[in-house]
Amino acid sequence: ETGVTQSPTHLIKTRGQQVTLRCSSQSGHNTVSWYQQALGQGPQFIFQYYREEENGRGNFPPRFSGLQFPNYSSELNVNALELDDSALYLCASSLDTGRETQYFGPGTRLLVL
Amino acid sequence: LAKTTQPISMDSYEGQEVNITCSHNNIATNDYITWYQQFPSQGPRFIIQGYKTKVTNEVASLFIPADRKSSTLSLPRVSLSDTAVYYCLVGGAGAGSYQLTFGKGTKLSVIP
Repeated sequence: ETGVTQSPTHLIKTRGQQVTLRCSSQSGHNTVSWYQQALGQGPQFIFQYYREEENGRGNFPPRFSGLQFPNYSSELNVNALELDDSALYLCASSLDTGRETQYFGPGTRLLVL
Repeated sequence: LAKTTQPISMDSYEGQEVNITCSHNNIATNDYITWYQQFPSQGPRFIIQGYKTKVTNEVASLFIPADRKSSTLSLPRVSLSDTAVYYCLVGGAGAGSYQLTFGKGTKLSVIP
């Protein structure tokens, strides 16, 4: 069974640029959630995708957007990057949208200069 | 989503049992209590989940009193590799997504 994978592992961007982060779900999982974790803080929920549709969103502006593909892999896109977007971005997959256990990937470390 | 309060940090010696208590006074009837472990620069890892009384698995036990306003994660005989941040979360499946709400967690340091 393959776990959750994310790419790239690290990324450096400049303010105003756009970035796309990728996530491959664990085999058989149809739900993907994205989280942002600033240094020293707990992860903060960005949004969740279930069967290619957004299924809930946290307190993040519209420049944070996502996609889920038919194979349940997912992308997180961030436009007009700001310095405060520097963080660890985590993807988690689960069997369904309920209280199923969420399995996290290793994350992508984004640095915005 | 219910707010949780847990100690910022704890120290323990190797081989000891560690108990981390989490307060969640506003827990709702359909909320479950879940604990995650996170090592630096890694994603959180599910440890245990429960609704009431006691739950035990191969790595930990979770004690939940009858009023469910708190819970205690118990790690038996910790080792250096248990040094990590431990998060207590409460939440349940409602309409829409099931989002995990993390606090700042408890940083556990295991001392040789």
